[in-house]
Amino acid sequence: NAGVTQTPKFRILKIGQSMTLQCTQDMNHNYMYWYRQDPGMGLKLIYYSVGAGITDKGEVPNGYNVSRSTTEDFPLRLELAAPSQTSVYFCASSYPQDGGYEQYFGPGTRLTVT
Amino acid sequence: GENVEQHPSTLSVQEGDSAVIKCTYSDSASNYFPWYKQELGKRPQLIIDIRSNVGEKKDQRIAVTLNKTAKHFSLHITETQPEDSAVYFCAASMGGNNRLAFGKGNQVVVIP
Repeated sequence: NAGVTQTPKFRILKIGQSMTLQCTQDMNHNYMYWYRQDPGMGLKLIYYSVGAGITDKGEVPNGYNVSRSTTEDFPLRLELAAPSQTSVYFCASSYPQDGGYEQYFGPGTRLTVT
Repeated sequence: GENVEQHPSTLSVQEGDSAVIKCTYSDSASNYFPWYKQELGKRPQLIIDIRSNVGEKKDQRIAVTLNKTAKHFSLHITETQPEDSAVYFCAASMGGNNRLAFGKGNQVVVIP
């Protein structure tokens, strides 16, 4: 299994541009999450999904959108990028039904908005 | 919502000594407490976790203790090695749907 994969690894955007961060997992996990990590800070939950077709806001959803059309994919959309969205973005997945709570993280996408 | 705080923010230890990082949380309903290790430029990886029905858990040189009454839990690393140098994040379950609230992280530096 490849686990959780994210693309791209790095991206530079200009203010006002838009982009989609891709996240795919091949572990058949039904729960997926998007976090952002700012320097010296912990991980903040942006959006999460408990299954295909179901998404919900986390702590910091403003400026982002998500969709979950399949179990495997959970893309994060940035519309009208702003410098405040410069961050490292991590996607994660978990499978609570097996009694485990562990979240498995992807390698991250480093985004700079200038 | 859940608020998780970690202390100290930076910890330097001599190789072979022990390191202890403490986290406090605010939501008494939290029942799952993981610790993640993040090396520079890498993804967070789970190193140990504990559930609220257990007071202590060990895995080789790593242990976690939980005090539900005081709402704090701690990570203990014994016989530290240079490869233990990293940022360590604690987290606590937040509401439902397996969500986690993370602390800001502790930079642990093991001095050879």
